[in-house]
Amino acid sequence: QKEVEQDPGPLSVPEGAIVSLNCTYSNSAFQYFMWYRQYSRKGPELLMYTYSSGNKEDGRFTAQVDKSSKYISLFIRDSQPSDSATYLCASYTGNQFYFGTGTSLTVIP
Amino acid sequence: DTGVSQNPRHKITKRGQNVTFRCDPISEHNRLYWYRQTLGQGPEFLTYFQNEAQLEKSRLLSDRFSAERPKGSFSTLEIQRTEQGDSAMYLCASSSPPRLAGGRVRETQYFGPGTRLLVL
Repeated sequence: QKEVEQDPGPLSVPEGAIVSLNCTYSNSAFQYFMWYRQYSRKGPELLMYTYSSGNKEDGRFTAQVDKSSKYISLFIRDSQPSDSATYLCASYTGNQFYFGTGTSLTVIP
Repeated sequence: DTGVSQNPRHKITKRGQNVTFRCDPISEHNRLYWYRQTLGQGPEFLTYFQNEAQLEKSRLLSDRFSAERPKGSFSTLEIQRTEQGDSAMYLCASSSPPRLAGGRVRETQYFGPGTRLLVL
């Protein structure tokens, strides 16, 4: 079992839709979670980070962690074509980062 | 540009050849990570440095792979006797030391654009 599991999609939504991206994790020691956005043929770019005890909102993006079910979510409101990318969830413990496989998102104008 | 840079951006080589990639981290970052990413997968950890010390290596890092960070600044990743299975994007990331605030540890990585390797 991988440390972080993520549905690879692909996910396709119309412009303006609310997008929900999800991951699960297996290691109870994980306390710190991140979401990265990766455009094709580029390196990942940090979008948001959050801790296991709460939610975080930044503009159109909201990150949530449900510690009891080991579930991580990223919500994108009013999705835009420029949001089309692969979204990677990640967690961190003991000097190591663990990444999901990424979910490919396409926002259709 | 003060972000993480990687060179070359693309490399095509023949099987059996050696290749070397370079990563220049953000200047104030003392931690440097190498990852490998294949199509449809997330980055897989290869190795990490704190300053010039290589503190951790993944079992993915076979003896054909070697990484150095001689002065605690830039790093190189060398692959000897390349194989077709080495074809991937090689990503470098850097971070500053983890911060502890309110009992919580936080370390934020910043990635470079990657070096895309194709072994023919």
